[in-house]
Amino acid sequence: EVQLVESGGGLVQPGGSLRVSCAVSGFTFSTYAMSWVRQAPGKGLEWVSGISGSGGSTYYAESVKGRFTISRDNSKHTLYLQMNSLRAEDTALYYCARGLATPIWGQGTMVTVSS
Amino acid sequence: DIQMTQSPSTLSASVGDRVTITCRASQSINTWLAWYQQKPGKAPKLLIHRASSLESGVPSRFSGSGSGTEFTLTISSLRPDDFATYYCQQYDSYPLSFGGGTKMEIK
Repeated sequence: EVQLVESGGGLVQPGGSLRVSCAVSGFTFSTYAMSWVRQAPGKGLEWVSGISGSGGSTYYAESVKGRFTISRDNSKHTLYLQMNSLRAEDTALYYCARGLATPIWGQGTMVTVSS
Repeated sequence: DIQMTQSPSTLSASVGDRVTITCRASQSINTWLAWYQQKPGKAPKLLIHRASSLESGVPSRFSGSGSGTEFTLTISSLRPDDFATYYCQQYDSYPLSFGGGTKMEIK
């Protein structure tokens, strides 16, 4: 069974850092591009970042460029999002998703940025 | 970057109605467009990819059309389970982007 399980969310102060993870199973992880998508409370979907299957190419939304870093460990079947210089507007449920247009999503991990 | 504009933002309709949601891209995305349905507290569900290809298991009352910059999602006869929020997404080029969403409400 294909599964994506996010973890690592929590409460962090403005300016702080957090790393969220997405553990995958049930498919050949290294052959798929992956994405992070977030959803602020009561708001729409926002694509945040993407990475190629090898990890050699990374992409970011303008809103997070220079503050967030996406990475993957194909040997551990895990996707990461390192978030630095966090702002209140980064508060959201963070989903990982397989591929570009995909039926495969995790359940999300909540990140709250507040003092 | 490609901007996606959805309309309407809210749609009030009744069970059995035929409804259409429109999505416009700020530049041509060929047919690299997906439609998702999202219900409260749930991850998005892929309905359509490549603008008009129905995802496996999705009822045939859902259909998509369009290419270039203009796209539509049509539900031929609304069922109670269809009241949700719908999003379009372009995956022609990075950064990927979603439309603002259309909330389908019961009239």
